[in-house]
Amino acid sequence: GAVVSQHPSWVICKSGTSVKIECRSLDFQATTMFWYRQFPKQSLMLMATSNEGSKATYEQGVEKDKFLINHASLTLSTLTVTSAHPEDSSFYICSAPMGSNQPQHFGDGTRLSIL
Amino acid sequence: SQELEQSPQSLIVQEGKNLTINCTSSKTLYGLYWYKQKYGEGLIFLMMLQKGGEEKSHEKITAKLDEKKQQSSLHITASQPSHAGIYLCGADSSYNTDKLIFGTGTRLQVFP
Repeated sequence: GAVVSQHPSWVICKSGTSVKIECRSLDFQATTMFWYRQFPKQSLMLMATSNEGSKATYEQGVEKDKFLINHASLTLSTLTVTSAHPEDSSFYICSAPMGSNQPQHFGDGTRLSIL
Repeated sequence: SQELEQSPQSLIVQEGKNLTINCTSSKTLYGLYWYKQKYGEGLIFLMMLQKGGEEKSHEKITAKLDEKKQQSSLHITASQPSHAGIYLCGADSSYNTDKLIFGTGTRLQVFP
């Protein structure tokens, strides 16, 4: 069964709306989680590393104020797309490692469509 | 920065045929992971390779990492429609990190 749960799976909203996406590790604790973005027919691009109890680490070119990340507990990280615009429409996916030297496990992704 | 190139970009094969997907790194790989993704869905972990020359198999899928740890291949034997999807190789971006970078992806279609 799934070890990482992501919610919601699909969001359609108006331009200017803020959207929150949740990523939960099931039955294990994740001090670190990762957020990716995927455009159609392209590979995954790492956006940021979510760190439990501290600030997220963003990749070059990713706007911190646009994509707010909060990792308030050992099983939950949230990504908030603030004041979303059509260009933010994409597939967002999170991952978490189950432990040291273990593979990443991924959520099912969230398809975000901004009208 | 490290880059992962996959080939081919897309593959269409008849059911029952064998196929190979390659993943080449510009730098030495610390850990190499193979994932499968169906369109609009999450990634399913297939295999992890860490040692030069390592080879792992699961059902009809075999993954290898070369001795120099810069190239990996994924081989599917007697392909089935259920094998269709996007195959992605991922690698640790540096030593002792969980941060992954991904290859360009290979889209596989299997027709009856």
